[in-house]
This record gives sequence, C-alpha cells and structure tokens, in this order.
Amino acid sequence: AQSVTQLDSHVSVSEGTPVLLRCNYSSSYSPSLFWYVQHPNKGLQLLLKYTSAATLVKGINGFEAEFKKSETSFHLTKPSAHMSDAAEYFCVVSEGSSASKIIFGSGTRLSIRP
Amino acid sequence: GAVVSQHPSRVICKSGTSVKIECRSLDFQATTMFWYRQFPKQSLMLMATSNEGSKATYEQGVEKDKFLINHASLTLSTLTVTSAHPEDSSFYICSARVAYPQETQYFGPGTRLLVL
Repeated sequence: AQSVTQLDSHVSVSEGTPVLLRCNYSSSYSPSLFWYVQHPNKGLQLLLKYTSAATLVKGINGFEAEFKKSETSFHLTKPSAHMSDAAEYFCVVSEGSSASKIIFGSGTRLSIRP
Repeated sequence: GAVVSQHPSRVICKSGTSVKIECRSLDFQATTMFWYRQFPKQSLMLMATSNEGSKATYEQGVEKDKFLINHASLTLSTLTVTSAHPEDSSFYICSARVAYPQETQYFGPGTRLLVL
C-alpha cells in the first residue's frame, strides 16, 4: 500500500526567504513522486516529478525536490520565495504500474509575507 | 504540454436535478481518465477510474448510480451527478493519463458545482 504525508498544513515565509515544504511517502514498490500547485479556484499544475532518474529534480518557477530513499522523503524547496508562490501544494505518490493510481497528500498552504 | 479541459467551469443547479461535467484531452488520446472530488481546504479524493470502452472503476464509498461515468472516446469522459443534493456541492477535477514516453497525469482546471 502506498501513502503520502505532508507534515505541515500551513507554512508562512517572508518574501525572498527560502521555502521548505515537507513530504514523506510510503510505498511497496519504486514510487513515482510529484509535486503539484493549486492556486485559489484553479486546477492543478505540475511543478516537478521524480521517476527513478536523478534524485534531485528541478521543476518550474525555481522549485526543486530531492528524493531520499533512506528517509522516504521528497521535500520541496525554493531558494527565494515570491509573492506569486502563495498557493496550495500537494505531494503525490504513484506506484507507476499500468493499473496505478495516484495518492494525494493532504496539502500544504504556503503563505508569503511581504 | 498536454492540455485537459473541463466544461463547464462552474455550474449552479437546483436540488434534484442532474448535472453533466465533461473532461476532454485536447491534443492527445487517453485510455484512462480519473475523476477527483475536492472539498474546501481539503485534498483531492479519487472517485473513480474511467476506462475507454469499459465500465468505470469506483472507489470505496462512491455511489456508482449517483456518479455516472461514461468514457465514450479516447478524448472524452463525462461525469454525471444524478439527483444532485447540496452535499454534492464540491470541486470536481478530472485527469487524463498518458503512458508514453513516461507515465504522466494531466489535470483539468476543475468544475465547481453548487447545488441549491
């Protein structure tokens, strides 16, 4: 069985400071991991994905995430937050088989202080 | 990148009526589409897996007679909320899966349903 845990429901940072959104996963097989962003009343946008290639994955808008198998983590980071980064972020796990489904984390709301 | 559209983007209906939501993959074919439901300030919950040409697979607790899914072609899946009630008010999001070159899901923008 697979699961994903986002450790923080809400993160608030000042503009220009680093962002860290935490995600831990559980999977019986080699997982595929994703981060999605959802702005208010909007659909989901893929930020980045890990599919067993490089463990450090670079995404859009300056975000990146590192897959750490020993820690079963896939934390999302950005060196310098921008006001437009304020949104809901979802960590997602998939076991990647042809019959796979994806499991969403509970989400982390990121707020940016001026 | 691949684009998935949903129509309508928002709908308001009276209790007891039925509402159909369309999910289209605009520039690719998808044998599998998924329907999710998202309550305010909560995560997405998978409702069902829609397979082209066969019956949908529903998640536990989702009433298949209430949420009718039809995947009539490789680019279109529809979700019909039958006899809608206020508790069905939610944000419904679909996604379409592609297998090659890498398995990826592309999400639609969502449909906000309000049942009065």
